[in-house]
Amino acid sequence: RKEVEQDPGPFNVPEGATVAFNCTYSNSASQSFFWYRQDCRKEPKLLMSVYSSGNEDGRFTAQLNRASQYISLLIRDSKLSDSATYLCVVNMYNNDMRFGAGTRLTVKP
Amino acid sequence: ETGVTQTPRHLVMGMTNKKSLKCEQHLGHNAMYWYKQSAKKPLELMFVYSLEERVENNSVPSRFSPECPNSSHLFLHLHTLQPEDSALYLCASSQRGTGELFFGEGSRLTVL
Repeated sequence: RKEVEQDPGPFNVPEGATVAFNCTYSNSASQSFFWYRQDCRKEPKLLMSVYSSGNEDGRFTAQLNRASQYISLLIRDSKLSDSATYLCVVNMYNNDMRFGAGTRLTVKP
Repeated sequence: ETGVTQTPRHLVMGMTNKKSLKCEQHLGHNAMYWYKQSAKKPLELMFVYSLEERVENNSVPSRFSPECPNSSHLFLHLHTLQPEDSALYLCASSQRGTGELFFGEGSRLTVL
């Protein structure tokens, strides 16, 4: 089983759609969780941390399910500018950050 | 100067060359990282330095040799590389315990 696994997509959605990504992780002792965004030929940048109680930042909602070892990212009212690759990142222990392969999202007019 | 700066941005080298990648962070962080990003594969953690001490070497071949002379600078020395080492090499820094990584723009390496 991969340490961090994501559906690679691509997800092609119209503007205004709601889209959800899931990510599973193998190490039950993992400490913290994040979603990063990577635009084409750019470096990854932190989108949001994922807290146990779930958290929301504008149109973005992140959830963590420790029992099932998965995290999710929900994007509401998609914008063209949301087109990017979304990376699931798991802090395994001691700042050993492991990345998923990413899920590619394209939002179309 | 802001953030994390990597040089060179692009590098083409032969298998017998020796070159180095450089990374500098201006964020006052105490940890620095090298990641490798190949097409359609997850970012692979290569090395972690915390307070200038290497705390992680993720089974990386010895043809990659990291150096961290101080908390702001990180090098990746390259020698006798293989064509399959062609990839984007990303440097990152963080304040240990926060979990947030700040990446440089990467050095795109092509090995001929």
